[in-house]
Amino acid sequence: NAGVTQTPKFQVLKTGQSMTLQCAQDMNHNSMYWYRQDPGMGLRLIYYSASEGTTDKGEVPNGYNVSRLNKREFSLRLESAAPSQTSVYFCASVRDRGLGELFFGEGSRLTVL
Amino acid sequence: DAKTTQPPSMDCAEGRAANLPCNHSTISGNEYVYWYRQIHSQGPQYIIHGLKNNETNEMASLIITEDRKSSTLILPHATLRDTAVYYCIVRVVSSGGYQKVTFGTGTKLQVIP
Repeated sequence: NAGVTQTPKFQVLKTGQSMTLQCAQDMNHNSMYWYRQDPGMGLRLIYYSASEGTTDKGEVPNGYNVSRLNKREFSLRLESAAPSQTSVYFCASVRDRGLGELFFGEGSRLTVL
Repeated sequence: DAKTTQPPSMDCAEGRAANLPCNHSTISGNEYVYWYRQIHSQGPQYIIHGLKNNETNEMASLIITEDRKSSTLILPHATLRDTAVYYCIVRVVSSGGYQKVTFGTGTKLQVIP
C-alpha cells in the first residue's frame, strides 16, 4: 500500500523550461491537493481538486496548471519555470469532503536556475 | 476556514510534556481542529483531531476549550524524535463538498536532551 506517490523526487530546470509533477494515490480518495513549501515557511495551497473532474485555485495558483486525470492522479504543470518556483512541492489526498486525515506524499524538490 | 494563530517556536525538555497552544477564535460550529506535524522536510503527518470534546490517541492528547476558541496539543513525554513543526488547522465540514485545507506557519518544537 503505497499511499501517495510523487514523481520525480528531485528535478533541476532552467528558467523557461516546462515540466509536470505527477501525483498518484491508491486509497480511493476523492479530494487531492498540491502545496508548495519554501525554506522556513509553511505550506501554501496551489490548487486542489475536490473530486474527479473538478479543480480550483488555492492561495498561490499563478504560474501553475493542474489536471485531475482520473480519481487516482492529480498532476501539476509548470509551463514556463521561474526561479521563484524553486520549492518543495507536496501532494496530498483526503478521503472525502467529510472528515478524514490528509495523507501527504514525500515531496518533490524543484530547483529552477 | 477559520484562521489559526500559533507561537512560532517552543522548547521542551526531553521526557517532559510538550504543550502546544493554538488560537482559533473565529472557529465556527462545523469546523474541526486538526493537528499535523512535519519532521525535517518530510510530508506532514496527521496527529489528532477533534470537534469539542477532548481527544486522546497513541500519539497525543487534544484539549479544546469549552468556547472552542483555542486548543492545546499535548505530547505527554516528549522525545528527541518529536522535534518538528506542528501545524494546527481548522477544517469545515460543508454540505457543498469542498475541503480547501490551508496551513499556517506552525510551531517549531525543539526537544532538548
